[in-house]
Amino acid sequence: EAGVAQSPRYKIIEKRQSVAFWCNPISGHATLYWYQQILGQGPKLLIQFQNNGVVDDSQLPKDRFSAERLKGVDSTLKIQPAKLEDSAVYLCASSASGELFFGEGSRLTVL
Amino acid sequence: SQQGEEDPQALSIQEGENATMNCSYKTSINNLQWYRQNSGRGLVHLILIRSNEREKHSGRLRVTLDTSKKSSSLLITASRAADTASYFCAPKTSGSRLTFGEGTQLTVNP
Repeated sequence: EAGVAQSPRYKIIEKRQSVAFWCNPISGHATLYWYQQILGQGPKLLIQFQNNGVVDDSQLPKDRFSAERLKGVDSTLKIQPAKLEDSAVYLCASSASGELFFGEGSRLTVL
Repeated sequence: SQQGEEDPQALSIQEGENATMNCSYKTSINNLQWYRQNSGRGLVHLILIRSNEREKHSGRLRVTLDTSKKSSSLLITASRAADTASYFCAPKTSGSRLTFGEGTQLTVNP
């Protein structure tokens, strides 16, 4: 069974530029999550989708972050414009029931 | 949602020893999950223990749950260098998001 796929693995941009991350969840998983993990900290939930609807985006900085999950499968997370404090690993996860399956993450460095 | 608090923040042991990590939480839960994260990788689910269970085993892992004390522990027996990772607990309440704490950084020295 294929796992959660994320791309790109690494991205370096300058502040005020934009960036997009892509996630392909495990086939059949209805729930998809985007987490932000700053170095040395635990993952923080940014947004949770159930199929193509948003369940929880209370911690998403909506002035600069956006996410969509078209057709209830793949998802993209966009940051525009990026700030220095957005440097982090962006983890995508999917689940069918209780446990979450994570991708390897996309590491963003904002200079 | 509620966040688990892992203790200790860091733990260093020798290969072959047992490692115990603790997790505390604040409100009633449906289940509690433990995850491992190797450096530079995503989180990997280890074990889920439901609120009506007291103990669960998976290979060298043993998880206990004490709902009266609102705490859980993860025991790794006969540790190996490959167990070096960060370990996170995530208490789950119905309808709430899964929230992670800061984790316990385990180092197993060969």
